[in-house]
Amino acid sequence: NAGVMQNPRHLVRRRGQEARLRCSPMKGHSHVYWYRQLPEEGLKFMVYLQKENIIDESGMPKERFSAEFPKEGPSILRIQQVVRGDSAAYFCASSYGTGDGEQYFGPGTRLTVT
Amino acid sequence: QKEVEQNSGPLSVPEGAIASLNCTYSDRGSQSFFWYRQYSGKSPELIMSIYSNGDKEDGRFTAQLNKASQYVSLLIRDSQPSDSATYLCAVDNFNKFYFGSGTKLNVKP
Repeated sequence: NAGVMQNPRHLVRRRGQEARLRCSPMKGHSHVYWYRQLPEEGLKFMVYLQKENIIDESGMPKERFSAEFPKEGPSILRIQQVVRGDSAAYFCASSYGTGDGEQYFGPGTRLTVT
Repeated sequence: QKEVEQNSGPLSVPEGAIASLNCTYSDRGSQSFFWYRQYSGKSPELIMSIYSNGDKEDGRFTAQLNKASQYVSLLIRDSQPSDSATYLCAVDNFNKFYFGSGTKLNVKP
């Protein structure tokens, strides 16, 4: 499977717990993007990363949210002390590189905070 | 003002008709434009990209770009019930994608 992989597909957390979402980009892609989508709403950009670098995090909430894309392994979106308002679908996308703007999406992680 | 604007719909067309989806964007410096299809509960799927003014055709889909008017459209010919989905317009501005909120298309058999 050469597509973008995300896991888990569904994640349930209680308020105050931590959520970790993982994304493995498409083979050959070195750029990763995270988006959040609330029910019946559009995609909202959160963060853009390359290996070991955060390029643009202008869409990330200032507190509780962080992202990384280490030299080895998947990209991680981490949400600390989750609240009910964090319940959403989180999508990861990857692209080949700068100038080739086509982004390909993973299946998403549906986070539910109880 | 939103970066990318789309009519939320729903847009209803009969099977076999042409569906026309429209999108406007605010940043004149935008260079790349994309249409994604998203079925309910699924992730967005790239269906068309367009980079220069004019039309680009791929099967039953035609994307149209007019940079002077800051306008992008997607035409779907011979619409099928399986085309029923939400269509998202995306604009690439220095590798930051701005998505519209999407237009919901219903193709009636």
